[in-house]
Amino acid sequence: DAGVIQSPRHEVTEMGQEVTLRCKPISGHDYLFWYRQTMMRGLELLIYFNNNVPIDDSGMPEDRFSAKMPNASFSTLKIQPSEPRDSAVYFCASRTGTGNNSPLHFGNGTRLTVT
Amino acid sequence: SQQGEEDPQALSIQEGENATMNCSYKTSINNLQWYRQNSGRGLVHLILIRSNEREKHSGRLRVTLDTSKKSSSLLITASRAADTASYFCAGSGNTPLVFGKGTRLSVIA
Repeated sequence: DAGVIQSPRHEVTEMGQEVTLRCKPISGHDYLFWYRQTMMRGLELLIYFNNNVPIDDSGMPEDRFSAKMPNASFSTLKIQPSEPRDSAVYFCASRTGTGNNSPLHFGNGTRLTVT
Repeated sequence: SQQGEEDPQALSIQEGENATMNCSYKTSINNLQWYRQNSGRGLVHLILIRSNEREKHSGRLRVTLDTSKKSSSLLITASRAADTASYFCAGSGNTPLVFGKGTRLSVIA
């Protein structure tokens, strides 16, 4: 089991550029979550999917953020246009659908720096 | 919310000592989960305690849960330098896990 795989590990871009973060969840997991972590705000839930369908995107900060899950093995988080305040570590996590007792499995994150 | 709030924000101890971290939450939960995050890595699940349990052990970890006070504690016994990390709690109900800012534990050799 390779775990949750995120790419890239680091992304440095200039303000105004489009950024796409990628995630491959653990095979067989029904839920996928995107979190953002900063020193100031800690870990924030951005959006989550169940069986590839977005369930709650109320944590997405602005319309500049969008997320998709075209199939069970792939999800993207896109920021367009990016701004310096988007700089953070973005985590993807997945879990099985067997109730809320199943633990989350996190990827190692993408560290985004917007200059 | 079911968000966990950890206390203290930071803790520094000597190797071999015990470390205790606390967690509080606001609404009813089905279970409470603790996670560890090493620097530059994602969170790793440590232990889950159900709402009808009061205490649970796993190796050097001991977790307690007091649903009347909406609080939990994580005890790491005989700490090691490798336990240096941030620790997070989150209550689980009908909504996804929401985490606090964590407790940063430093174990000094």
